[in-house]
Amino acid sequence: DQQVKQNSPSLSVQEGRISILNCDYTNSMFDYFLWYKKYPAEGPTFLISISSIKDKNEDGRFTVFLNKSAKHLSLHIVPSQPGDSAVYFCAASGGIGQTGANNLFFGTGTRLTVIP
Amino acid sequence: DVKVTQSSRYLVKRTGEKVFLECVQDMDHENMFWYRQDPGLGLRLIYFSYDVKMKEKGDIPEGYSVSREKKERFSLILESASTNQTSMYLCASSGGRVYEQYFGPGTRLTVT
Repeated sequence: DQQVKQNSPSLSVQEGRISILNCDYTNSMFDYFLWYKKYPAEGPTFLISISSIKDKNEDGRFTVFLNKSAKHLSLHIVPSQPGDSAVYFCAASGGIGQTGANNLFFGTGTRLTVIP
Repeated sequence: DVKVTQSSRYLVKRTGEKVFLECVQDMDHENMFWYRQDPGLGLRLIYFSYDVKMKEKGDIPEGYSVSREKKERFSLILESASTNQTSMYLCASSGGRVYEQYFGPGTRLTVT
């Protein structure tokens, strides 16, 4: 059973506009969330993370929002650039000492295409 | 920069063969992981290791085993390859910030 879900397999956005990628999770024990970016023929690379004690974390053009009550997080990219075109994976973890410690549970990915 | 390397980018094996996938990291990370990536299923954890000679099962360990004799090297073994093990295999490592995992480029394994 998929504990982390990315319901949109693909997203297309014009260059300069905002990209919003969404992720839902079912396990209320998750307390740390991450986004990874994957280019073709490369492994995923860590992009940004957020702890459950926060509701927002920003790093340059990338912002992650967490809504714990809705078990939902989103990644905003502003402004979107053609080089952002990649597959984005959402991931969650249950934290050290809890079930799933050291384990990351990944979503199925969303392919973002930024159109020049 | 952290570097995680995998022994092969592409591999074709026959059903029943024993397959070794090797992974090496150069950042002295304690934790190492093997995932497989399949369309529509995302990345699923096969095994992980948090120390030399230590291993833990992930979500889908059946049909796989692992070996970690040295800190920098983590091997995934398919004892008798089957066609349903055709997949992209990704190795990762992490240090103190356990969840920030660094991935290798992947090995695309085809079992015929």
